[in-house]
Amino acid sequence: DAGVTQSPTHLIKTRGQQVTLRCSPKSGHDTVSWYQQALGQGPQFIFQYYEEEERQRGNFPDRFSGHQFPNYSSELNVNALLLGDSALYLCASSQNSNQPQHFGDGTRLSIL
Amino acid sequence: QQQVKQSPQSLIVQKGGISIINCAYENTAFDYFPWYQQFPGKGPALLIAIRPDVSEKKEGRFTISFNKSAKQFSLHIMDSQPGDSATYFCAASKMEYGNKLVFGAGTILRVKS
Repeated sequence: DAGVTQSPTHLIKTRGQQVTLRCSPKSGHDTVSWYQQALGQGPQFIFQYYEEEERQRGNFPDRFSGHQFPNYSSELNVNALLLGDSALYLCASSQNSNQPQHFGDGTRLSIL
Repeated sequence: QQQVKQSPQSLIVQKGGISIINCAYENTAFDYFPWYQQFPGKGPALLIAIRPDVSEKKEGRFTISFNKSAKQFSLHIMDSQPGDSATYFCAASKMEYGNKLVFGAGTILRVKS
C-alpha cells in the first residue's frame, strides 16, 4: 500500500520563476493538505483541498495556489518565487478532514 | 491564539533513559494533539496522538501525558534507543474544522549509546 508520494524530490529555481509541485495521496484518502517547512522549523499550514475545492487556507499570499483533481491528487503552484520560498514542501493526506494526517517525504525547493 | 510552544529545542539522553518533550498551547478550541517524528530527508511520521478527554495514552515505549487545565502536553520515550534519534514535533488542531495542524518548533533528540 503506497503512502503519500510527492514529486519532484528536489527542485532548483531562480527568483521570479513559477513552480508546480505534485502530490498523490495515500490510497483511500480524499483530503490533501500542504505545508511549508523552513529549515529548522516546524511545518506551516498552507491550505487544504477536499472534493476539488480549497477548504481552508493558512497565512500565505495569493502567490501560493493549488488544485485537486478527481482522483484526489493535488498540485501546489507558487508564482513569482522569492528567496524566502526556499523550504521543504510537504503534502499530507487523510481519510476525511477529521482523520489523522499522513505526510509524504516532501519536495525540497531551493531558490537562487 | 494559534501558537504551540515546544521545549526543549534539543535533548541528549543516554541509551535506556527517558526522553521528555513538553508542549504548551493557547487555543482552548484545540481537540487533537499528535506527535510526529521526523528523520533527516523524510517527512514527519505520526507517532501517537491524544484527545483531551483522556489524561494519558501509551503505545509501546511512547506515552503522551495531557493536562487540560494547564494547556500542556508532553511526550515520554521510555528506554530510549539510538534509533529514536530524530526531530520530534508536537502539534494541535481542531478536528471539526478540517484538522489544520499547528506545529511546535521541534525538538532534536540524540540518544547516546
